[in-house]
Amino acid sequence: ILNVEQSPQSLHVQEGDSTNFTCSFPSSNFYALHWYRWETAKSPEALFVMTLNGDEKKKGRISATLNTKEGYSYLYIKGSQPEDSATYLCAFNTGRRALTFGSGTRLQVQP
Amino acid sequence: ETGVTQTPRHLVMGMTNKKSLKCEQHLGHNAMYWYKQSAKKPLELMFVYSLEERVENNSVPSRFSPECPNSSHLFLHLHTLQPEDSALYLCASSQDWKSGNTIYFGEGSWLTVV
Repeated sequence: ILNVEQSPQSLHVQEGDSTNFTCSFPSSNFYALHWYRWETAKSPEALFVMTLNGDEKKKGRISATLNTKEGYSYLYIKGSQPEDSATYLCAFNTGRRALTFGSGTRLQVQP
Repeated sequence: ETGVTQTPRHLVMGMTNKKSLKCEQHLGHNAMYWYKQSAKKPLELMFVYSLEERVENNSVPSRFSPECPNSSHLFLHLHTLQPEDSALYLCASSQDWKSGNTIYFGEGSWLTVV
């Protein structure tokens, strides 16, 4: 059983705050790490797929880093906006089976 | 317009009923998935199909029966379910099921078992 853990479980921030969350995964048999955003009443949507140690990806105000040796990835949101409110999921892939998802971090941005 | 469509979006069924969830992907992908999202639990993988062949079955009770007639369609047949099976069922697809390709999800089917 692959253990993918995300913290914190939930987060409330004010508009304009910057925030970050963590995804921890097994450091062995690493193949890829995914981040998804899941807004209420919508389908989960891919943000990043990361494969290389030290990789950093950016999409607008959202960025992510990857450390495969120690088994963690950070997702950063700069200057949070109410439309960033969603659950952020990470998922781990060994290249031998389907993705294993974490429980998610639920972000609420207050205007 | 979503590349993965699920019907119905909401379903209420009795424990003795038989119903089916339907999923269709318009992305030309080879792999299709059923996931279950229960309250306060991570997304649970139920089944994976690759080119219509079931390649993963994660200890799912036999009251859930998947069917993949072709690479664009996936069904989840439901019979004699229990109230604890009430959850959001998400269908998804990807180009390949093992190599870490992005997964594209449908909007889900909310199932309530009474």
